[in-house]
Amino acid sequence: AQKVTQAQTEISVVEKEDVTLDCVYETRDTTYYLFWYKQPPSGELVFLIRRNSFDEQNEISGRYSWNFQKSTSSFNFTITASQVVDSAVYFCALSEGPGGYQKVTFGIGTKLQVIP
Amino acid sequence: NAGVTQTPKFRVLKTGQSMTLLCAQDMNHEYMYWYRQDPGMGLRLIHYSVGEGTTAKGEVPDGYNVSRLKKQNFLLGLESAAPSQTSVYFCASSYSRSDGTQYFGPGTRLTVL
Repeated sequence: AQKVTQAQTEISVVEKEDVTLDCVYETRDTTYYLFWYKQPPSGELVFLIRRNSFDEQNEISGRYSWNFQKSTSSFNFTITASQVVDSAVYFCALSEGPGGYQKVTFGIGTKLQVIP
Repeated sequence: NAGVTQTPKFRVLKTGQSMTLLCAQDMNHEYMYWYRQDPGMGLRLIHYSVGEGTTAKGEVPDGYNVSRLKKQNFLLGLESAAPSQTSVYFCASSYSRSDGTQYFGPGTRLTVL
């Protein structure tokens, strides 16, 4: 069975601080996909990034970066120089296998509050 | 291109009433999903559909029914609402034979009194 653990339920940082959101996953598949979604206070779920299990390269997009490490089954998300607009709940998710229907398992989310 | 839309955005029901939530997507996605989001529990899959005319149960299907008569629409029905069904409901869609990336609607906040 697949599982996603986001151990940090809530994090508060002061604006301009860096913050890392942790995600640890469990799966028996060798092919899988990992995701991060953002849920701002307005409530919608916004897709941020997708990573497949064969691509361990870190990714950077502006102030956002993602560190995927298969050895520790982790897919952590770092926000550099945080801003108030980053305040949201962030979900990590795991999808197993290519093709056909794939069950997506979501973590319970990490609520990030950026204080001005 | 509106993506995934949901109606209504908010609804208050009394226990025992019925209602239908409508989800529509214009991305020609084969797969569609209904989730509920409750505090501290993340997103839980209620039902899903892998194509027009097909539906399947997710993790928490009890008390809900679904229909997918058209590819672009996925309906979630509550036949006899209960206070335990107070939640935020999200619809999502994705391509088949892909990595599972799901695109979400804006959500429906349902309160059952």
